[in-house]
Amino acid sequence: AQKITQTQPGMFVQEKEAVTLDCTYDTSDQSYGLFWYKQPSSGEMIFLIYQGSYDEQNATEGRYSLNFQKARKSANLVISASQLGDSAMYFCAMRGLGGTYDKVIFGPGTSLSVIP
Amino acid sequence: EAQVTQNPRYLITVTGKKLTVTCSQNMNHEYMSWYRQDPGLGLRQIYYSMNVEVTDKGDVPEGYKVSRKEKRNFPLILESPSPNQTSLYFCASSAGYSPLHFGNGTRLTVT
Repeated sequence: AQKITQTQPGMFVQEKEAVTLDCTYDTSDQSYGLFWYKQPSSGEMIFLIYQGSYDEQNATEGRYSLNFQKARKSANLVISASQLGDSAMYFCAMRGLGGTYDKVIFGPGTSLSVIP
Repeated sequence: EAQVTQNPRYLITVTGKKLTVTCSQNMNHEYMSWYRQDPGLGLRQIYYSMNVEVTDKGDVPEGYKVSRKEKRNFPLILESPSPNQTSLYFCASSAGYSPLHFGNGTRLTVT
């Protein structure tokens, strides 16, 4: 069965420092996509970054990068130069890219607090 | 503006009183789905739809119904709500494999 694990329920980081949020996944699909979403205290879900299982380069979007290690089945989110506005819940998610794209599963989330 | 619109944002109801949460998207997406979010559990899929008149169960479908009569709309129906359905609900849509676009959420309280 597919599963996403986020082992850090809560994390703190000093403003302007980099932080890594862990995500490991389990799937038998050969082709899949990995996503990270941010949920601030206002509640909306904001898409941050995407990595396809066949992409050889790690994805980057501004201050966000995804450290993808396929053999270890990990897809960690790295936020560089943390800002106060980065304080939020962060969810890792996975979706099949073949016939199983109907299923999108999420991890339990990591609460990030940025300290001034 | 491309968006997924859910209504209402907040809803307080009593056990057993049927309710519907509406979801509409203006991006012509084939795929739509409903999730509930509970502390420590992340988002869990309730139902999804690959296209008009095509719906299927997600991981936690008990106590919920959906319909997809038009491409843009995907309402979530609770025919007899119970307190354990108190949760934050999200509707989302996507074009094929692309990232999900989420609505702003509906916070439901069942007393």
